[in-house]
Amino acid sequence: AQSVTQLGSHVSVSEGALVLLRCNYSSSVPPYLFWYVQYPNQGLQLLLKYTSAATLVKGINGFEAEFKKSETSFHLTKPSAHMSDAAEYFCAVRVKGNTPLVFGKGTRLSVIA
Amino acid sequence: DARVTQTPRHKVTEMGQEVTMRCQPILGHNTVFWYRQTMMQGLELLAYFRNRAPLDDSGMPKDRFSAEMPDATLATLKIQPSEPRDSAVYFCASGLVLAGSYNEQFFGPGTRLTVL
Repeated sequence: AQSVTQLGSHVSVSEGALVLLRCNYSSSVPPYLFWYVQYPNQGLQLLLKYTSAATLVKGINGFEAEFKKSETSFHLTKPSAHMSDAAEYFCAVRVKGNTPLVFGKGTRLSVIA
Repeated sequence: DARVTQTPRHKVTEMGQEVTMRCQPILGHNTVFWYRQTMMQGLELLAYFRNRAPLDDSGMPKDRFSAEMPDATLATLKIQPSEPRDSAVYFCASGLVLAGSYNEQFFGPGTRLTVL
């Protein structure tokens, strides 16, 4: 069965600093991978997705993620954090087929002025 | 701008009362999911439907929870009787599942349920 592990339930960075949110997956077959963001009192919004095309995926708001099969990772990065990036971020995995997404526990990102 | 809508956005009720949450999926989507989010458990999948038929409800406490899709534009999640431990945010999501697709899910804003 597929699963997702997000390392660090809370990450704090300074405004303008690099953002790195870690996600490792477990899947017996090539996965589809997603990053979602949840702002306070809102639903989840798709940031970006990996669907077996390019391994470096660019998403909205300047975020990107790189699929590394050898490391079973799909870490999310942004070169320069903005105050508006403060939110909860969820990594999710799904194998090809008709199964629902499996979400990680989430990482709360705080941005310090 | 197509969105998943959920009503009510907030619900406060007393233990033992029935709670009904409603979801309108994006028009044309054939799959609807119900999730529950709590601080302790994170996001949990409760149930999901495809073409209005329930595919999996193993995440749902069967004795008190029920989920239905009366038609393609409405999904409901009921709790009867409600208990304080049901306090959580309940999300509905919808997606279009086609052969070979990656099944992106679109989330509604959630219903914040508080059971006193």
